[in-house]
Amino acid sequence: ILNVEQSPQSLHVQEGDSTNFTCSFPSSNFYALHWYRWETAKSPEALFVMTLNGDEKKKGRISATLNTKEGYSYLYIKGSQPEDSATYLCAPGDSSASKIIFGSGTRLSIRP
Amino acid sequence: EPEVTQTPSHQVTQMGQEVILRCVPISNHLYFYWYRQILGQKVEFLVSFYNNEISEKSEIFDDQFSVERPDGSNFTLKIRSTKLEDSAMYFCARSSPGANVLTFGAGSRLTVL
Repeated sequence: ILNVEQSPQSLHVQEGDSTNFTCSFPSSNFYALHWYRWETAKSPEALFVMTLNGDEKKKGRISATLNTKEGYSYLYIKGSQPEDSATYLCAPGDSSASKIIFGSGTRLSIRP
Repeated sequence: EPEVTQTPSHQVTQMGQEVILRCVPISNHLYFYWYRQILGQKVEFLVSFYNNEISEKSEIFDDQFSVERPDGSNFTLKIRSTKLEDSAMYFCARSSPGANVLTFGAGSRLTVL
C-alpha cells in the first residue's frame, strides 16, 4: 500500500489570495500521481494525472508540480475564489490502475 | 464516456441486515472501484474489479463484503450483515485502462441503525 500524506489538513484563505499545499508519497516504484477536487455534497472530480518528474500541469487558476525523486507534488491556486472551497485529494496510482489510494486531503476554505 | 450512476442515493437499514449498493454502467473494458468515506474521515479504497473479477481489495474488504456483476450492466457492492461502523458514503468509480483517471458516481449514503 502506497503511504501518502497531505499537508496542511485544512487551510483558510482570504478571497483573492494565492495558496498551495503538498502531497508526499514514496518515491520508489512511482507510476502516477492524481489530484482530485471534492466539493461538499458532490463526488470527487479529477484535476490532474501526473507521471513525469518535473511535470507541471495547469487548469485555469489551478496548477500542480511533481517531483518524483523526492516524492512530493504541490498544488497551487492563484487568486482564490469562493468556488475553490473544497477538499483536495491526491493519490499515487500503480501502473495497473488497480489500486488508487487517497491521502487524507487538504480542506480549503475561502473567506469572502 | 457515460457517467456513473449509483443507487440508492440514501439507504437506512437496521444492524444485521443485508444491503446492496448498485453502480451502472459497467463494461468489460473498464476498471470499477468501490470506495467509502466514513463521516469526517478519509476516502478509503475497498475493492477494484476488472474483467469479471476482483483485481485488488483492501483489508477493509472482509468476508462481510462482496462485489458482483449480476446482469452484465450493474456492478454491486453487497454487505451481508451490516454493522453500525458500516455507516458511510460509498462511492463507485470507473477508469479506462491507460488513462487511470477515476470518474466517480454521486455516492450512496448508508446509515446503519
